[in-house]
Amino acid sequence: EIVLTQSPGTLSLSPGERATVSCRASQRVVSSYFAWYQQKPGQAPRVLIYAASRRATGIPDRFSGSGSGTDFTLTISRLEPEDFAVYYCQQYGSSAWTFGQGTKVELK
Amino acid sequence: QLQLVQSGAEVRKVGASVKVSCKVSGKNLIDLSIQWVRQAPGKGLEWVGGFDPGDGETIYAQQFQGRVTVTLDTSAHTGYMELTSLRPEDTAVYFCATDFTGIDCFDLWGQGTMVTVSS
Repeated sequence: EIVLTQSPGTLSLSPGERATVSCRASQRVVSSYFAWYQQKPGQAPRVLIYAASRRATGIPDRFSGSGSGTDFTLTISRLEPEDFAVYYCQQYGSSAWTFGQGTKVELK
Repeated sequence: QLQLVQSGAEVRKVGASVKVSCKVSGKNLIDLSIQWVRQAPGKGLEWVGGFDPGDGETIYAQQFQGRVTVTLDTSAHTGYMELTSLRPEDTAVYFCATDFTGIDCFDLWGQGTMVTVSS
């Protein structure tokens, strides 16, 4: 199975700052099957980005995704108070879905 | 409006089995590729198994092979995930999820079902 490794594990930032989360795959990933999720405590995850770079319905344009092959990035251009949460990357390949271990974006 | 509504919390002993349900409203169950994801307390997301988005066959994460079965009851509009030979480390919230809009990811989630395994 394809292993996804996110970095950093925790990002300590202030509102208004830029957040960059990386996700590296152990093998090449099909971009159409690569996504980013946000999860807040006590809630189910919510998809932010699908097909590596397309924003899901209702997602603000401060969220963007980029990358291909084995290296992908989620960028939040200017953090809003509601963006402090945990972010996960995900891919599908070889009849299996896998998630990264998560990156916590916390208030500095 | 499409919703995934899961069954309530469960408590089981080590070695027992648990079956979690996910009722679909708003779309034909057969048109959805229901997946199951779990999250242990304070930990990340872990895909358990589901239906292949390509051919609809059941697919399972390697670490659960032989212990998990996902099924559908189309007449009841409900998907199920059964996990056997439970261990304390199976204590987690189990979510069902699906690709509702055809964007090849999980854009609709159930509310989660807490499964506690005690010795």
